[in-house]
Amino acid sequence: NAGVTQTPKFQVLKTGQSMTLQCAQDMNHNSMYWYRQDPGMGLRLIYYSASEGTTDKGEVPNGYNVSRLNKREFSLRLESAAPSQTSVYFCASTPLRGSNRNIQYFGAGTRLSVL
Amino acid sequence: GDSVTQMEGPVTLSEEAFLTINCTYTATGYPSLFWYVQYPGEGLQLLLKATKADDKGSNKGFEATYRKETTSFHLEKGSVQVSDSAVYFCALSDLGGGYQKVTFGTGTKLQVIP
Repeated sequence: NAGVTQTPKFQVLKTGQSMTLQCAQDMNHNSMYWYRQDPGMGLRLIYYSASEGTTDKGEVPNGYNVSRLNKREFSLRLESAAPSQTSVYFCASTPLRGSNRNIQYFGAGTRLSVL
Repeated sequence: GDSVTQMEGPVTLSEEAFLTINCTYTATGYPSLFWYVQYPGEGLQLLLKATKADDKGSNKGFEATYRKETTSFHLEKGSVQVSDSAVYFCALSDLGGGYQKVTFGTGTKLQVIP
C-alpha cells in the first residue's frame, strides 16, 4: 500500500519553463489537494479537487493549473515557471466517509527550484 | 476566516526534557483540531487529533487537549527523545462544501539533543 505518491522528488527549472507535478493515491480517496510549503508560512493550499471531475482554487492558485485525471491522479502544472514558485509542493488526499474523513494523507513532496 | 497560531521555533531541548508547543486557533464553527509531524525530507503525517471540546488526543507519548474556552490545543510530551526531532504543525479543519478545508499553523521546529 503506497499511499500518496508524488513524482518527481526534485526538479530544477529555468524561468519560463513548464512542468507537471504528478500525484497518485491508491486509497480510493475522493478529495485531493495541492499545497506549497515555504519557510515561515506553513502550508498554503493551491488547488483542490473535492471529487473526481471537479477542481477549485485554493489560497494561492495564480501561475498554476490542475487536472483531476481520474479518481487516483491529480496533477499540478506550472505553465511558465517563475523564481517565486521555488518551493516544496505536497499532494494530499482525504476519504469521503468514515472516522478518518477529516485526516489528510500526504505524499513525500516535490522540491522545486526555479532559477 | 479560520486561523491557527503556534509558537515560533526552533525549540531546542535536551533528551528527556518536557515539551510544550503552544497552539491557539480562531474558527467560526466547531472545527476538528490536529497535530501533524514532518520528519526531515518527508511529508506531513498525522500525530494526533481531537474532534470536540475537552477531547484529548494522544499518540507516541504526545498529548493535546481541545480547550474551547481558551481556543487552544497545546502539544505536550513528558520526556522527549532525539527521534522526536521534527517540525510540528497545528491545524484545524472544517468540513463543508463536500471537501475538507484545513488551516495549518506555520510549524514549530523541535530539535532534541542527546
